[in-house]
This record gives sequence, structure tokens and C-alpha cells, in this order.
Amino acid sequence: DTGVSQNPRHKITKRGQNVTFRCDPISEHNRLYWYRQTLGQGPEFLTYFQNEAQLEKSRLLSDRFSAERPKGSFSTLEIQRTEQGDSAMYLCASSRTSGNPTDTQYFGPGTRLTVL
Amino acid sequence: AQSVTQLGSHVSVSEGALVLLRCNYSSSVPPYLFWYVQYPNQGLQLLLKYTSAATLVKGINGFEAEFKKSETSFHLTKPSAHMSDAAEYFCVGGGATNKLIFGTGTLLAVQP
Repeated sequence: DTGVSQNPRHKITKRGQNVTFRCDPISEHNRLYWYRQTLGQGPEFLTYFQNEAQLEKSRLLSDRFSAERPKGSFSTLEIQRTEQGDSAMYLCASSRTSGNPTDTQYFGPGTRLTVL
Repeated sequence: AQSVTQLGSHVSVSEGALVLLRCNYSSSVPPYLFWYVQYPNQGLQLLLKYTSAATLVKGINGFEAEFKKSETSFHLTKPSAHMSDAAEYFCVGGGATNKLIFGTGTLLAVQP
């Protein structure tokens, strides 16, 4: 069990640039979640996938954000035309879904984005 | 989905003292509740979760939490704090889609 991995771990970009993050979940986990954590706050839900289907998106996810999970394995989160307010830690989590709301989500180490 | 409120953004205890981190939830449906811990420069880790099987839930590293419906609370406790317990702790609510709703977190400091 290698855990959830995220790349890159840190990203510094200039305002207006596009960035893409990758998340590799624990193998055989069919659910994958993206959260965002700003300084001093708890993580906030952005979106989640079951296999390759994106089933829910938060209102936090503006049109500049897009997430994919093309083969039901790894996922990418792209932010277009970054703004300083996008600076945050982006967290990925995965779970094996048994249909139980208490299925454990396993979190990756996160990607810290800084927009200058 | 649940909403959760954590009382106290910073808690400081002496090594060996009782740890008590407070969390209250609000919901009109059966709650799904968790405590997660975030150690410095590490990812979030599940401490324990309430599954309705028992009101007293035991987790890792000696932590436990008691679900009290009458008080809508799910406070986290540990009888004796250790220096390695210094971290940020999140009370978390869940919903039918497994979307997690995090509290604002409590930063625990342990003094020698």
C-alpha cells in the first residue's frame, strides 16, 4: 500500500498562468476526492469521482477549475488563469466505497500552490 | 451533510495532562462523524470515526471520542498528553456521498 500520492508537492506560479496537479489514489479505490485548504481553515470539498464519473462539484469550483479522472485511476485538477486567491493547499483523498458513508478517506500530502 | 463546530482554535496542555478537544455537530439525520489529525508537514490521518455501533469510539494513539446525542457533541479526549500529540485536529462530518465537512481545526500544543 503506497498511499495516495500527489505531484507536484509545491507549485509557484504567476497570476494568469495555468497549473495542473496530479493525484494517484490507492489502487482499487474507486472514489477520489479533491479538497482545498487555505491557511488557518479546515479543508473544503471541491469535487469527487466514482471511477471516471465526476458526481459532484462544489460551488467553490469556478469555471476556471476543471478536474478529470479519465480511466478511473489517477486524476488531474487544472486551474486556468490563476488568481492570488487560488493560493492554497490542494488535497486529494481516495476511498474504497462499500456504500457506507463512514468509508475511510485516505489523504495525500497535498500540493501547495502559491500564486504571485 | 453535517456541519461541525470546534470550540477553541488553540489548546495548550502540559505533558501528561488530559487532552479535551470539543466538537459539536448539527444535523437532522443520523450523524457521520470523524476526527482527523494533521501533523506538521504530513497529510491528514484518520484518528477515529463514529459508526453508530457504540457511543464511545476508540481510535489510534490512545485517543477516544464519545458521541452524545443529547448534547450534539463528539468531543475528543486522551487521558495523558504526549509531546508527539502536538498537531492540528479536525472534527469532521460526513454525508451520504462521503463528502467530508471539516471544522476549522484545533491546534494542540503540548508543553514539557
